[in-house]
Amino acid sequence: QVQLVQSGAEVKKPGSSVKVSCKASGGTFSNYGVSWVRQAPGQGLEWMGGIIPFFGTPHYAQNFQARVRITTDESTTTAYMDLYNLRSEDTAVYYCARLHILATIPVWFDPWGQGTLVTVSS
Amino acid sequence: SFVLTQPPSVSVAPGKTARITCGGNNIGSKSVHWYQQKPGQAPVLVIYSNSDRPSGIPERFSGSNSGNTATLTIIRVEAGDEADYYCHVWDRSSDHVIFGGGTKLTVL
Repeated sequence: QVQLVQSGAEVKKPGSSVKVSCKASGGTFSNYGVSWVRQAPGQGLEWMGGIIPFFGTPHYAQNFQARVRITTDESTTTAYMDLYNLRSEDTAVYYCARLHILATIPVWFDPWGQGTLVTVSS
Repeated sequence: SFVLTQPPSVSVAPGKTARITCGGNNIGSKSVHWYQQKPGQAPVLVIYSNSDRPSGIPERFSGSNSGNTATLTIIRVEAGDEADYYCHVWDRSSDHVIFGGGTKLTVL
């Protein structure tokens, strides 16, 4: 059964960037998509974007289009999320999740990584 | 863009039935998925494709979807069911993932 293991917590300065990794153990992202979802303190889930195989290129939510980059390395079964030009409002827990696909339609997320806390503070 | 509306909170006594709704324009035409999130933990899939249950999820959890409302139903509620619950769809018009705002289930 696949498990997603994320990199550890980060503390960053405003204006800097962060790279969070997500390694799939016991499985791969092949034939699935991978997405990143964040959760600010006390708030709900917010989709940032992801890689969906049939789209060909990464697909990003409008709110993050200009500041996020999502990639995968199939040789190491690892997905990465880069977020640039960080601000205090980016302080959140960032989750990766494997996205299931049915007949070219993205459907449910399962499993999820354990989450990575990114704190942005001067 | 497509909006999913959930009640912020639902309270239920142990042993009773909890119903958590997720409203959206003609949501019955979409495939709805539900996640449970306990404090300090990652979300866990509890219902997929409107009404299917992943292995390991108790039969007490069920889902339905029709018209403008999808519903997660938990029968014989236990203290361990206390958590935040989120609904999720894929919006084909925008090619975006949409989450509901989440519902906090409190077991009295």
